[in-house]
Amino acid sequence: AQSVTQPDIHITVSEGASLELRCNYSYGATPYLFWYVQSPGQGLQLLLKYFSGDTLVQGIKGFEAEFKRSQSSFNLRKPSVHWSDAAEYFCAVGFTGGGNKLTFGTGTQLKVEL
Amino acid sequence: GAGVSQSPSNKVTEKGKDVELRCDPISGHTALYWYRQSLGQGLEFLIYFQGNSAPDKSGLPSDRFSAERTGGSVSTLTIQRTQQEDSAVYLCASSQTSYEQYFGPGTRLTVT
Repeated sequence: AQSVTQPDIHITVSEGASLELRCNYSYGATPYLFWYVQSPGQGLQLLLKYFSGDTLVQGIKGFEAEFKRSQSSFNLRKPSVHWSDAAEYFCAVGFTGGGNKLTFGTGTQLKVEL
Repeated sequence: GAGVSQSPSNKVTEKGKDVELRCDPISGHTALYWYRQSLGQGLEFLIYFQGNSAPDKSGLPSDRFSAERTGGSVSTLTIQRTQQEDSAVYLCASSQTSYEQYFGPGTRLTVT
């Protein structure tokens, strides 16, 4: 069965600093990969997705992620964090034949220090 | 346009009672999903509806949980004889294209 690992439960960065959130997946075939963000009391908002093609994908709010097949990773990055980016971030994976259901990581809570 | 809506936003119930949670997907979306998010946990898949096909119920944790989708649109998740471990946020999502799911704000269920 596929699995998603987000090794960092909490991350704290200073406003204006760069950010990288890690995501590793376990699955034999090429997965479909997503990053979602959840603000307190809110549902999940899709930041970006990877289906195929260019392994560097751009998303909303200045985020990007890079698919690295050799490392089974899909890390999320942002060059300069804003205080409003404080939220919980979830990596998710789907796969062909999986009925479109997604498997989510346990999330990374991002705190931004002013 | 309107996103996925869920009601109620909060529900407090006594142990042993039945509850119904409602999801209105984005108009035109053929797929609908239910997930559960427990404190400190990621999202746990519960059930998936796609058009007129039989639902994928593989994530339902027990036979106390059931869901239906009427007319290919609105869905109701029912939990019978609620237990304290059922306390969680229940999230609904819908999609039109493969895999890109749009989530509602969730229903926070508290079982006392």
